[in-house]
Amino acid sequence: QSALTQPRSVSGSPGQSVTISCTGTTFDVDGHIYVSWYQQHPGKAPKLIIYEVNRRPSGVPDRFSGSKSGNAASLTISGLQAEDEADYYCCSYAGSYTWVFGGGTKLTVL
Amino acid sequence: QVQLVESGGGVVQPGTSLRLSCAASGVIFSTYGMHWVRQAPGKGLEWVALIFFDGSSEFYADSVKGRFTISRDNSKNTLYLQMNSLRAEDTAVYYCAREGNYDYSFDYWGQGTLVTVSS
Repeated sequence: QSALTQPRSVSGSPGQSVTISCTGTTFDVDGHIYVSWYQQHPGKAPKLIIYEVNRRPSGVPDRFSGSKSGNAASLTISGLQAEDEADYYCCSYAGSYTWVFGGGTKLTVL
Repeated sequence: QVQLVESGGGVVQPGTSLRLSCAASGVIFSTYGMHWVRQAPGKGLEWVALIFFDGSSEFYADSVKGRFTISRDNSKNTLYLQMNSLRAEDTAVYYCAREGNYDYSFDYWGQGTLVTVSS
């Protein structure tokens, strides 16, 4: 149950696009479609923004999109807005009813 | 409106026990699997445990297996986490989270309760 690997930080200017990577193994990211992403603002609970690799829950803007190739998943945020500044976590089902999160990526909107 | 409210956190000494609660409202609690996820200060999220909707099965992260027990009382719409033999590395904000409308993901979270293990 090792954490998925994410970059510690990414940044972008308003209106630009940024991509956050999430690397796992054959036992988690590469082995399942159940990759999800969470947005967490300081002092707040995480919020689900992507599930099953690339599906958005109701109410999440289509500026947020996800993808996966092999053991690597990614989250792309297009048309960056100031309110997107937050920590982002990937999560993958790892089999046998266990889950593993990434270490988190801090997004700074310049 | 789904609401999850955790309680029971506090400061405890290493080796002692603590029980957390998570009260659910605005949802048919008994139809959803429930999880505990924790976050050490300044660190990332860590999945802790899952209990099936009917309480029939439980699963744990290796880091807490044998020390923590997840349970639920569907008549009270409440989830629990019994934490025994607490260690300094268990210090974290503990969130309860629902595995709801989107399988294998967590669609509603509580606000968290802080557990500090320190002598």
